[in-house]
Amino acid sequence: NAGVTQTPKFQVLKTGQSMTLQCAQDMNHEYMSWYRQDPGMGLRLIHYSVGAGITDQGEVPNGYNVSRSTTEDFPLRLLSAAPSQTSVYFCASSYSRAQPQHFGDGTRLSIL
Amino acid sequence: GQQVMQIPQYQHVQEGEDFTTYCNSSTTLSNIQWYKQRPGGHPVFLIQLVKSGEVKKQKRLTFQFGEAKKNSSLHITATQTTDVGTYFCAIAVQGAQKLVFGQGTRLTINP
Repeated sequence: NAGVTQTPKFQVLKTGQSMTLQCAQDMNHEYMSWYRQDPGMGLRLIHYSVGAGITDQGEVPNGYNVSRSTTEDFPLRLLSAAPSQTSVYFCASSYSRAQPQHFGDGTRLSIL
Repeated sequence: GQQVMQIPQYQHVQEGEDFTTYCNSSTTLSNIQWYKQRPGGHPVFLIQLVKSGEVKKQKRLTFQFGEAKKNSSLHITATQTTDVGTYFCAIAVQGAQKLVFGQGTRLTINP
């Protein structure tokens, strides 16, 4: 099992560009989520999904879109990148929010 | 929204000293999870506490859940350099399927 796979690992964007961060899991987990990590801010929840076809907003959803067309994949889209979105992004999955979360290795995103 | 406060934000100790991090909530929690993130790594699940007053141990790590289920602590006895990292607590937000994390406590150790 690969677990939770995030791509790319690193990305540099220019302000205004769009891109999609990929997240895939092979553990048949229903619950998936996206967090961003900034120094001194901990892990902040962007969006989450309790199953295919269902998504909801977390603490800091503005500027990000998600979709969940399959159980395995949960991509995060930046519509128009801004320097404030420079961060490390982690995807996580589990059977539910009450179960241990399995994290991917993260995507380090820089926006110039 | 429901939040959890984690203190301290940073802690530097000499190797062999003890370390404790605390998580506090204004509301009663159904459960609390603890994670460790090594420098440059991703968070890794350590343990989940569910019962009031629960105490669990993992080698030198002791986890406690308060009697009122509003606070929790992680205590490391006789720290080692392998304990370096950031420790997070995470709580389930009532009324939503969200799992939110505390700000984390970054532990550094002087060998």
